[in-house]
Amino acid sequence: KNEVEQSPQNLTAQEGEFITINCSYSVGISALHWLQQHPGGGIVSLFMLSSGKKKHGRLIATINIQEKHSSLHITASHPRDSAVYICAPGVSGGGADGLTFGKGTHLIIQP
Amino acid sequence: KAGVTQTPRYLIKTRGQQVTLSCSPISGHRSVSWYQQTPGQGLQFLFEYFSETQRNKGNFPGRFSGRQFSNSRSEMNVSTLELGDSALYLCASSPQGHFAYTFGSGTRLTVV
Repeated sequence: KNEVEQSPQNLTAQEGEFITINCSYSVGISALHWLQQHPGGGIVSLFMLSSGKKKHGRLIATINIQEKHSSLHITASHPRDSAVYICAPGVSGGGADGLTFGKGTHLIIQP
Repeated sequence: KAGVTQTPRYLIKTRGQQVTLSCSPISGHRSVSWYQQTPGQGLQFLFEYFSETQRNKGNFPGRFSGRQFSNSRSEMNVSTLELGDSALYLCASSPQGHFAYTFGSGTRLTVV
């Protein structure tokens, strides 16, 4: 079973700050999702990556497959970035049962 | 391009009743997977359907079941509801079931 650790569990920051959320997992994977969930809302997949780095707007995700570690960065954070961020590494095979979910990082950006 | 649609958004049921939730995937997506999210357990995989066949199943009791229709729409059913079944139920679709999942907004089920 893939053990997934996210840190920090909770993060409160001021608008404009650079945010980093970390994800470590125990089993070799094929790809990893970063998911965003707003209060009372559904889940949006921000990134799916299997190597290197991806950027979308103010969001950057990196992954180091050998070190079993991924990070999600938010530049120039904004109150609308307040949400729960969940990493979900997927093991080889690719089926939905191969996805394991972290407990999430609760991010609050204060104006 | 329409996203993954789940209905209903909210549902309140009584213990012992049964419930059916619906998920319409993105057009062309053949894989639909279901997840349960609770404050204590986080997100947990329920099952996955591909081309009308259950491909994988998570560690849930037999009260949880599902099916997929020829148009890829999927339903999940929970019989003999328990208080602990109160959760957000999410479905996700993907073209082939290989990681490129798009999630729906979920159905929030409350059992009283």
